Amino acid sequence: QVQLQQSGPGLVKPSQTLSLTCAISGDSVSRNSVAWNWIRRSPSRGFEWLGRTYYKSKWYSDYAVSLKSRISFNPDTSRNQFSLQLNSVTPEDTAVYYCARTSHYYYYYMDVWGEGTTVTVSS
Amino acid sequence: QSVLTQPPSVSAAPGQKVTISCSGSSSNIGDNYVSWYQQLPGTAPKLLIYESNKRPSGIPDRFSASKSGTSATLGITGLQTGDEADYYCGTWDVTLSTVVFGGGTKLTVL
Repeated sequence: QVQLQQSGPGLVKPSQTLSLTCAISGDSVSRNSVAWNWIRRSPSRGFEWLGRTYYKSKWYSDYAVSLKSRISFNPDTSRNQFSLQLNSVTPEDTAVYYCARTSHYYYYYMDVWGEGTTVTVSS
Repeated sequence: QSVLTQPPSVSAAPGQKVTISCSGSSSNIGDNYVSWYQQLPGTAPKLLIYESNKRPSGIPDRFSASKSGTSATLGITGLQTGDEADYYCGTWDVTLSTVVFGGGTKLTVL
């Protein structure tokens, strides 16, 4: 059974970097063609897909166009996890953040989700 | 303002059937599979339907879905109080180059 365990701070100051980690059990972050996503949900914007990373002979990352200049994903094969970094955050980035798996990068549905991390951007 | 449009709420009595609609456009639902998620209060979303009408292992056949043109529909029969949750549709939008979601529908089982 695949499980995703999220970790990271719940409070981030404006202009700083939001960093979250998603530890994987029951699957491998580097399994060929499986995609690992980040999604967030806020009262103002609903669910927003932030992007995904996957391995297919080499690592690929697809980022939401609106966040491309501020976001990066980092897979860590030694710890079987992947992380999200969102730079220069503002209160608009306050949301519940989820990591999630897609069984094949060809698809866009998420079949396993992390429990969610509430992140507040505030001084 | 979500790209996919869902009714904010639906309700029905236990044992009855309910449908939830999800309306999009030719750049999203009209061109891609739709997925549906159930989010119980305080929990993470759970995949109910993928590829527009397929159920993952463990999802009861009380849950079904269809797609026609630029709209999709989730149906739930034999409603139970445990089905009270928020339901979301999602798909890929080829114009926006992103996964898009509906705003969610709150199901109340009266």
